[in-house]
Amino acid sequence: DGGITQSPKYLFRKEGQNVTLSCEQNLNHDAMYWYRQDPGQGLRLIYYSQIVNDFQKGDIAEGYSVSREKKESFPLTVTSAQKNPTAFYLCASSPHGTSGTDEQFFGPGTRLTVL
Amino acid sequence: GQQLNQSPQSMFIQEGEDVSMNCTSSSIFNTWLWYKQEPGEGPVLLIALYKAGELTSNGRLTAQFGITRKDSFLNISASIPSDVGIYFCAGIYYGGSQGNLIFGKGTKLSVKP
Repeated sequence: DGGITQSPKYLFRKEGQNVTLSCEQNLNHDAMYWYRQDPGQGLRLIYYSQIVNDFQKGDIAEGYSVSREKKESFPLTVTSAQKNPTAFYLCASSPHGTSGTDEQFFGPGTRLTVL
Repeated sequence: GQQLNQSPQSMFIQEGEDVSMNCTSSSIFNTWLWYKQEPGEGPVLLIALYKAGELTSNGRLTAQFGITRKDSFLNISASIPSDVGIYFCAGIYYGGSQGNLIFGKGTKLSVKP
């Protein structure tokens, strides 16, 4: 059963703590992405990775960090430097280099609340 | 850079009505995508369009890739309460060997039974 999983679904953290959001895909996709969505807003790109061990900043990378040590995993760390971290975080993947298509497929999202 | 203008921003309609929404840009795109996002969930890909003029259906949904390659339309016929959600358009353009995907800001659809 192929897909993208994000865990946990809901996450609560105290202000000043770093927190890591998990994203795993078993679609054999080359590219993975992290987006942030605020209430009533569209999607804003945080980071993306087109291949293992390589990633690029998106439009709002400040206060976030990522790693891509394995093809199927792209964890996102929300650091204490992120001024307004409470949001809905979405992970996506696309075939990209493997088949040349760039449609993105999304996970179910993680809602992070910083208290 | 490339931008997508999606309209309307929100719609409040009666069950059974047809719905139309669109995405426009001043730039050319190679692929158009339409997603639906339900509350608290990730967006789900509904329709993908790859050629100018292409018209594709998925059940009661029909989407078209504009002839100019600068716009796309999504129609929903005979709306039902489960159509509620936010509909996002996305366009892909190619710069060099890389595909770049841009999202519209979404159309929020509410359906009154």
